[in-house]
Amino acid sequence: NAGVTQTPKFRILKIGQSMTLQCTQDMNHNYMYWYRQDPGMGLKLIYYSVGAGITDKGEVPNGYNVSRSTTEDFPLRLELAAPSQTSVYFCASRELNTEAFFGQGTRLTVV
Amino acid sequence: EDQVTQSPEALRLQEGESSSLNCSYTVSGLRGLFWYRQDPGKGPEFLFTLYSAGEEKEKERLKATLTKKESFLHITAPKPEDSATYLCAVQYSGNTPLVFGKGTRLSVIA
Repeated sequence: NAGVTQTPKFRILKIGQSMTLQCTQDMNHNYMYWYRQDPGMGLKLIYYSVGAGITDKGEVPNGYNVSRSTTEDFPLRLELAAPSQTSVYFCASRELNTEAFFGQGTRLTVV
Repeated sequence: EDQVTQSPEALRLQEGESSSLNCSYTVSGLRGLFWYRQDPGKGPEFLFTLYSAGEEKEKERLKATLTKKESFLHITAPKPEDSATYLCAVQYSGNTPLVFGKGTRLSVIA
C-alpha cells in the first residue's frame, strides 16, 4: 500500500516557467489537499478537493491551479513560476473526520 | 489572527528530561485535534487524534491530552530519536480542511 505519492521530489524552475506537481493516492480517499511549507511558517493550505470534480481555494491559492478528474489524482499546476513560490509542497488525503496522510513532499526552487 | 498556536517554537531537552508542548485553538466547534511528527525532509506522520475534552492518548513516550481550549503533548524521558518538529492541527465543523499550527522543533540531546 503506497499511500500518497508525490512527484517529483525536487525541481528547479526558472522564473516564468510552468510545471505540474503530481499527487496520487491509493486509499480511495475523497478528500485531498495541497499545502506549502515555508521555514518556520507551518503548513498553509493552497487548494483542496472533497471529491472528483470538486475543488476549492485554500488560504494561499494565488499563482496555482488544480484539477480533480479522478478520486486518485490531484495535480497542482504552477503557470508562471515566481521566486515567492519557492517552498516545499505537500499533498495529503483523508476521509472526513479522520487523520490525513501526507506524501513525502516536493522541494521547489524558483530562480 | 492565528486559529492554532503552538508553543514553544523550539525546545531543547536533555535525554530523560520530561516536558510538554502546547497547542491552543481559538475557534469553537472543534471536531478533532491532530498531532503529527515531522522529520527533516519528510512529510508529517500522524501520531494522535483527540475529539473531546478530557480525552487522552498514549504511544510510547508520548501522551496527548485535550481541554476545551488547548492540547498538550507530554514527552516522558525523551530520547534523541524523539527529536523532530511536532505539528498540531484542528478540524472545525463540517468538512473544513485541517488548520495547522507552526509547530514546535524539539531537540533531545544525549
